[in-house]
Amino acid sequence: AAGVIQSPRHLIKEKRETATLKCYPIPRHDTVYWYQQGPGQDPQFLISFYEKMQSDKGSIPDRFSAQQFSDYHSELNMSSLELGDSALYFCASRQQGSYGYTFGSGTRLTVV
Amino acid sequence: AQSVTQLGSHVSVSEGALVLLRCNYSSSVPPYLFWYVQYPNQGLQLLLKYTSAATLVKGINGFEAEFKKSETSFHLTKPSAHMSDAAEYFCAVSEPDSNYQLIWGAGTKLIIKP
Repeated sequence: AAGVIQSPRHLIKEKRETATLKCYPIPRHDTVYWYQQGPGQDPQFLISFYEKMQSDKGSIPDRFSAQQFSDYHSELNMSSLELGDSALYFCASRQQGSYGYTFGSGTRLTVV
Repeated sequence: AQSVTQLGSHVSVSEGALVLLRCNYSSSVPPYLFWYVQYPNQGLQLLLKYTSAATLVKGINGFEAEFKKSETSFHLTKPSAHMSDAAEYFCAVSEPDSNYQLIWGAGTKLIIKP
């Protein structure tokens, strides 16, 4: 069965660089969520999109931005990277009106 | 505001013993409830979910959880632990009123002793 695809799986960046993470939801899923999980921490909600519009915003830094495209995939853009941005970034998708999320395997970002 | 409490950041059980991971939520309205598992260096995987149907929910890998409204609990159990169950387990809730945003528990690390 199709799953949520995230790319890249691993990413190493230097401080002050930019990074773009991609998330491809399950077909027919119109809602995408981004989560950040720091080392030894529980996942934190960053931002969500429904039908290409931002639907909710969590603890996303101003240096980050995200969008959802017409094919429902989403991209998380991260600028002026800091060491503290090193984390596992999860994307989850679901179909509006249903419950239960499907998570991607995550992108592990390491900032050096 | 909705909150989720997982009692015990670490739970250690012997292989073959009962696994019990506790989760309590705060809500006057029964929300949707989930248990996710995260194996080392992997993404989150849904174990099971409660969506106002049967109060005893069976999930993958032999896990099950019981929704108890009177106790606002959704504890996760497995009769016999396997070494492969060693992972971190997250309880989460979502409500329609909050646009189904997941509220996460802090997680419980399950350690299996040989």
